[in-house]
Amino acid sequence: AQSVAQPEDQVNVAEGNPLTVKCTYSVSGNPYLFWYVQYPNRGLQFLLKYITGDNLVKGSYGFEAEFNKSQTSFHLKKPSALVSDSALYFCAVRDEGAGSYQLTFGKGTKLSVIP
Amino acid sequence: KAGVTQTPRYLIKTRGQQVTLSCSPISGHRSVSWYQQTPGQGLQFLFEYFSETQRNKGNFPGRFSGRQFSNSRSEMNVSTLELGDSALYLCASSLLTGGASEAFFGQGTRLTVV
Repeated sequence: AQSVAQPEDQVNVAEGNPLTVKCTYSVSGNPYLFWYVQYPNRGLQFLLKYITGDNLVKGSYGFEAEFNKSQTSFHLKKPSALVSDSALYFCAVRDEGAGSYQLTFGKGTKLSVIP
Repeated sequence: KAGVTQTPRYLIKTRGQQVTLSCSPISGHRSVSWYQQTPGQGLQFLFEYFSETQRNKGNFPGRFSGRQFSNSRSEMNVSTLELGDSALYLCASSLLTGGASEAFFGQGTRLTVV
């Protein structure tokens, strides 16, 4: 079975400071990892994904994520937070080895960027 | 390119009724997945369709069903609605099924059961 944990329900960061949203995963095979963002009353918006190769993945709006196989983590980062980054962030995993078609999501982390 | 379109955006239904939600995927995408989002359970996978075939189904009762048409448009149906079915229902489309393909989500249909 595949699973995702986002240990922080909420992250507060001052505008201009770096931000990190944490994600750990569990799969039996190789993971495909994704980050999505959700603004109020909207669907999920794709930010970035890790499939294979370079452990540092760059995505939309200046976000990046670092894949760490030994720690089974895929933390989302941004060097300088904007107030407009305030939203709900979801990490998701798909297990390549299981031939799984479904995405399994974490519970989400609410990011608040304080002006 | 138009995104994933879900209709209607909002629905209010009474317990015991049934409801049909519609999803039009991004042009050229053949995979459509459905998810239920609630504050308590988060995002839960309902099912995925690819080329009119259900590829995978989540852990939901048989009251939840879906289908995909030859033009890749999809519908999901919930029969005998319960209060607990109140949720945001999200549809997502992908170019391919499973694997490394990212899913693109619609804005969702918010279903309220009273």
